Amino acid sequence: AQSVTQLDSQVPVFEEAPVELRCNYSSSVSVYLFWYVQYPNQGLQLLLKYLSGSTLVKGINGFEAEFNKSQTSFHLRKPSVHISDTAEYFCAVSDQASYQLTFGKGTKLSVIP
Amino acid sequence: EPEVTQTPSHQVTQMGQEVILRCVPISNHLYFYWYRQILGQKVEFLVSFYNNEISEKSEIFDDQFSVERPDGSNFTLKIRSTKLEDSAMYFCASGPARGEAFFGQGTRLTVV
Repeated sequence: AQSVTQLDSQVPVFEEAPVELRCNYSSSVSVYLFWYVQYPNQGLQLLLKYLSGSTLVKGINGFEAEFNKSQTSFHLRKPSVHISDTAEYFCAVSDQASYQLTFGKGTKLSVIP
Repeated sequence: EPEVTQTPSHQVTQMGQEVILRCVPISNHLYFYWYRQILGQKVEFLVSFYNNEISEKSEIFDDQFSVERPDGSNFTLKIRSTKLEDSAMYFCASGPARGEAFFGQGTRLTVV
């Protein structure tokens, strides 16, 4: 069975500052990793994904994430946040033996003007 | 850009009633999913559907739940006899490959 831990439930950050949202996973097999964003009263939008290949993955809206197999992590980063990045961010994992995504509890990012 | 569409956006139903939540997945996708998110909790997997049959389901997906792809474009989730604890946001998703999922905007189900 796989699991996802998002270490921070809330992250406040000033506008134009960098941010890192942390995600650790556990799985006994090779994994696929995803970050989704959920704006208030909206659905889940795929930010980026790691399936294979380069461990540094670039996504939409200037976000990127790095897959670190030895530390079982997939942290999300952005060098300079905007007010519009205020949302909840979910890390998710699936493995090659399963169809389902397992989600973390989410991290609420609040960008302060 | 193609997207997953869900109807209705809100559904209020009385306990014990049947509800059907509808979804139109992205047209060239082969894998279809339902997830739910109870207010303040994690997004939880319910069921996956591939090649016209259920490929995987969670413990939540008991006999009260069923899925159907009746006409090659729609994908539905039926809850036969709703309970108060079924109140949640239900997300449909589709994907071109196993494990990848593009989500719809969700249907907020309120059971009263």
